[in-house]
Amino acid sequence: EDKVVQSPLSLVVHEGDTVTLNCSYEVTNFRSLLWYKQEKKAPTFLFMLTSSGIEKKSGRLSSILDKKELFSILNITATQTGDSAVYLCAFTYSGTYKYIFGTGTRLKVLA
Amino acid sequence: SQTIHQWPATLVQPVGSPLSLECTVEGTSNPNLYWYRQAAGRGLQLLFYSVGIGQISSEVPQNLSASRPQDRQFILSSKKLLLSDSGFYLCAWRTPALRNYGYTFGSGTRLTVV
Repeated sequence: EDKVVQSPLSLVVHEGDTVTLNCSYEVTNFRSLLWYKQEKKAPTFLFMLTSSGIEKKSGRLSSILDKKELFSILNITATQTGDSAVYLCAFTYSGTYKYIFGTGTRLKVLA
Repeated sequence: SQTIHQWPATLVQPVGSPLSLECTVEGTSNPNLYWYRQAAGRGLQLLFYSVGIGQISSEVPQNLSASRPQDRQFILSSKKLLLSDSGFYLCAWRTPALRNYGYTFGSGTRLTVV
């Protein structure tokens, strides 16, 4: 059965800390992996990863995919209180139009 | 630019009442459309998706149904709501041509069945 597991489930850090969020998946014919940030309402898109070893960056956020070991990490450096959110990862595989989401990591950044 | 509209934002409905949630997309043609539900403290569960008018794929057996009467309109319905239908419902769209982009989500409907 296809599944995606995120860890840790929740995390509390102080402003300025660096955090690493993990997403592992089990799927055949993997195609791509997405990272989203969800605050109060709709998730907002962060990254799409399709190739192993290529880092995607956006400001203080970065993500990388390891297709051999079947996982991805999302790094946030110099965290700010505005980074507090649930971070979701999702994957899709060949022959489908849908993404399978993990349960998310709840990050709380304290001032 | 593309936008997605979802309404209502919140809804409180009694058990046994009907439900209709609507989602419309603007600025794109022939999008893939999706309905997800997020229960408290849980991830997003895919309910339905559609790749074209009248084409609906159901992911889990449940008390809900979906319809796509027009290219950019996706409707989630129920004839009789159950307490377990409570949750946060999200509509999303994706254009397959945008290969390096994922879903864009609507703002969601928080449904409480009482």
